[in-house]
Order: sequence, then C-alpha cells, then structure tokens
Amino acid sequence: DAKTTQPNSMESNEEEPVHLPCNHSTISGTDYIHWYRQLPSQGPEYVIHGLTSNVNNRMASLAIAEDRKSSTLILHRATLRDAAVYYCILLPYSGAGSYQLTFGKGTKLSVIP
Amino acid sequence: DGGITQSPKYLFRKEGQNVTLSCEQNLNHDAMYWYRQDPGQGLRLIYYSQIVNDFQKGDIAEGYSVSREKKESFPLTVTSAQKNPTAFYLCASSTGTSKVVGTDTQYFGPGTRLTVL
Repeated sequence: DAKTTQPNSMESNEEEPVHLPCNHSTISGTDYIHWYRQLPSQGPEYVIHGLTSNVNNRMASLAIAEDRKSSTLILHRATLRDAAVYYCILLPYSGAGSYQLTFGKGTKLSVIP
Repeated sequence: DGGITQSPKYLFRKEGQNVTLSCEQNLNHDAMYWYRQDPGQGLRLIYYSQIVNDFQKGDIAEGYSVSREKKESFPLTVTSAQKNPTAFYLCASSTGTSKVVGTDTQYFGPGTRLTVL
C-alpha cells in the first residue's frame, strides 16, 4: 500500500492561512488523496479529496503536485476550531467492496489566538 | 438530522466481562466500520460490513465480535478474550456501493471511550 508522510506538528496564528503538506512518493496513478481531521476527543471528519486537479470546498482547498507525489491541504483562514490532527490518506480507484482508511499519526495543528 | 450515534460516550467495565458498544446510522449507508484508537495513535480497523448479514475482519479483529442484522445498526462486542480493551472506539459508515472506492467518504460517530478496570 502506498504510504504518506506528514510533519508531526505545525502551528498557525489565528486568521492566517495554513498549508499542511503530505508526501506520497509511491502513489499509484489511480489513488485518490483524501484528508480527514480529528478534533480532540471526537471522531474524524472528512475534509476533502482529489485525484489530479486542485479541489476546493467550503472547508478547505487541496493542491496536488503535477507529479502527484505530494499534496497540500490549505485552510484559508485558520480559526481556533481548526485545531485538530489532520490525516492524509490514499484510497484506490476501485477495489472489492468496502475499504479501510489507513490512518497514520497525522499532523497536529495548533492555532494560536 | 442524519448521522451516526454511538452509545454510551463513556463505558466502564470490570476485567473479564463482555461489553457491547452500540452504533446506529440513519444515513441509509450500506457500509459500516469499527475502528479502535489508542492514545496518540491513528485508527485501526476492527471489523467492517458491506451489507446486512455480512461482515469482514479488519487488522485487529481478535477478541471482538460484531453483527449486522439491520442496515442501520452495527454493534460491537468486546469480549474477555481481548487482552487490552481500554481504548477509544469509533464507528463509521459510508455509501459503500460505488465501484469507485476512491471517491467514497466515511462519516464517523462521536466515539465510545471504554475503560476496563
């Protein structure tokens, strides 16, 4: 399975943009890149996913490198509520039925007021 | 509101007792999952189910059992055979019917924190 590498922790000032990097040098051509986040003592929540093109939604933007070996989750204006552990996960294009999300240790984002 | 509910939020049990964790969803999702999370670690898959009356073992199924008699319910039993059951347990669901697995997203419940005394 393709693996991802993320920094253990990052800090950001409130109301400033945050760029969370993820390296996935062994990604296959059909793997989707997903991001989830987990607030303290809560279940994870889906943030965004993409394949090749950059993606935007109400929560964040996902910038995918041209060679797809890395990606960056962008929070445009960090708030205190964005303090969480962010996980970058690769999922195959298709497979037999359901799938498991393989969570690494993720990046712990701290937001400074 | 659609979502996933897990109960109870906190659970305490004596060593050697079986305990059942509840998970209910009203999202009309076919697939459901159970994960375990230990402090400072990522999630690990215990069991998953694609359809009613069918389920598959995940990476750490030993000492756990599940059932899927209804589409909306997927209870997890932590048996006395589980050596270290104290952990945060998370239930999730997804559409699960798409052939394009890569586009499916999982929705998680709030979790149950189990402590075995």
